[in-house]
Amino acid sequence: NAGVTQTPKFRILKIGQSMTLQCAQDMNHNYMYWYRQDPGMGLKLIYYSVGAGITDKGEVPNGYNVSRSTTEDFPLRLELAAPSQTSVYFCASGDQPQHFGDGTRLSIL
Amino acid sequence: DQQVKQNSPSLSVQEGRISILNCDYTNSMFDYFLWYKKYPAEGPTFLISISSIKDKNEDGRFTVFLNKSAKHLSLHIVPSQPGDSAVYFCAARSLSGSARQLTFGSGTQLTVLP
Repeated sequence: NAGVTQTPKFRILKIGQSMTLQCAQDMNHNYMYWYRQDPGMGLKLIYYSVGAGITDKGEVPNGYNVSRSTTEDFPLRLELAAPSQTSVYFCASGDQPQHFGDGTRLSIL
Repeated sequence: DQQVKQNSPSLSVQEGRISILNCDYTNSMFDYFLWYKKYPAEGPTFLISISSIKDKNEDGRFTVFLNKSAKHLSLHIVPSQPGDSAVYFCAARSLSGSARQLTFGSGTQLTVLP
């Protein structure tokens, strides 16, 4: 009954460090998404993928990169962490509706 | 420019009464609307949706109403239960663009008082 699994759940990074947020789904969905949620705000789309090998930018892609080598996995990469990237990150898969993971809480200090 | 707005950050309702959560949108290209519920430390979970060709959709205690001329939708929960206490997000999908991109409102914290 896994659905969408995100790791890690929490992480603290120093400015300038890099990291990869992992996302895996076991529902064989073609569509996958990365969102960020800042306090008091709605979710904003960072990147999305319509299938393995295909990715595209969402509303707020700057400072992030993604890859989609398999249907199951959609990692999000932060290359040079900045304080503005402190947020909660959600991965989702599917279409009408999208199914969400439980999020990764990331702090950049 | 917020295309989907939830103007009430919070709402408190007595158990057993009706909860009404509101959402306004500005983009006439939106063709599909969804409500998600979110508990602390969890991801959003899908609750109910409505296509722009309908004006009402019901699922148990939850009903969503869509008024296209006013660009307004609302979620009714009857009767409200303490377990309904959560943040509710309204989301809309655009006809243009690819991959069913969703635009989210900022959420309304619903508290159902026992």
